[in-house]
Amino acid sequence: RKEVEQDPGPFNVPEGATVAFNCTYSNSASQSFFWYRQDCRKEPKLLMSVYSSGNEDGRFTAQLNRASQYISLLIRDSKLSDSATYLCGLVDSWGKLQFGAGTQVVVTP
Amino acid sequence: NAGVTQTPKFQVLKTGQSMTLQCAQDMNHEYMSWYRQDPGMGLRLIHYSVGAGITDQGEVPNGYNVSRSTTEDFPLRLLSAAPSQTSVYFCASSSPREWDETQYFGPGTRLLVL
Repeated sequence: RKEVEQDPGPFNVPEGATVAFNCTYSNSASQSFFWYRQDCRKEPKLLMSVYSSGNEDGRFTAQLNRASQYISLLIRDSKLSDSATYLCGLVDSWGKLQFGAGTQVVVTP
Repeated sequence: NAGVTQTPKFQVLKTGQSMTLQCAQDMNHEYMSWYRQDPGMGLRLIHYSVGAGITDQGEVPNGYNVSRSTTEDFPLRLLSAAPSQTSVYFCASSSPREWDETQYFGPGTRLLVL
């Protein structure tokens, strides 16, 4: 079983709608959590860190549920430019950063 | 700042050939890593370094060597290329002093092994 799992999608979202998706992890000792965004044929870039209390950055909201071992990302008022693959990352108990395979989001006009 | 740079952008190798993927960063980051990205597999850690002269293996180190003689450079060597090494390779750097542990990625090297 992979340590970090994501629904690959694609999530097809009408412009202006809300989309949310999760990332589950298997190691309960995992420490820091992140969401990265990756555009087609480009490198991943940090979207936001995920804090225990949950956090917002504009239209993006990230949540951490340690009891159920998942993190989530919600995108409100989706824009065409939000179309990308979203990778979740975590720092495991050995201090190494691990990534999920990514969730593809396609925002349609 | 150029950030993290990688060369070459594209490479085609024949099975058995060797080559070095170059990675450099100008942010004075202590940590550097190499990942490979394959469809459906996500980013997998090959090797990483926590400082000059220190390297360690990641999840998929077989067939690859690294060295870290300077803070800036972290080359990845393919010893004898195999078709299974066809992938996109990303180098990344980060600093433990940055509280959010952001990884900065290079633009990637697309490698095809025939």
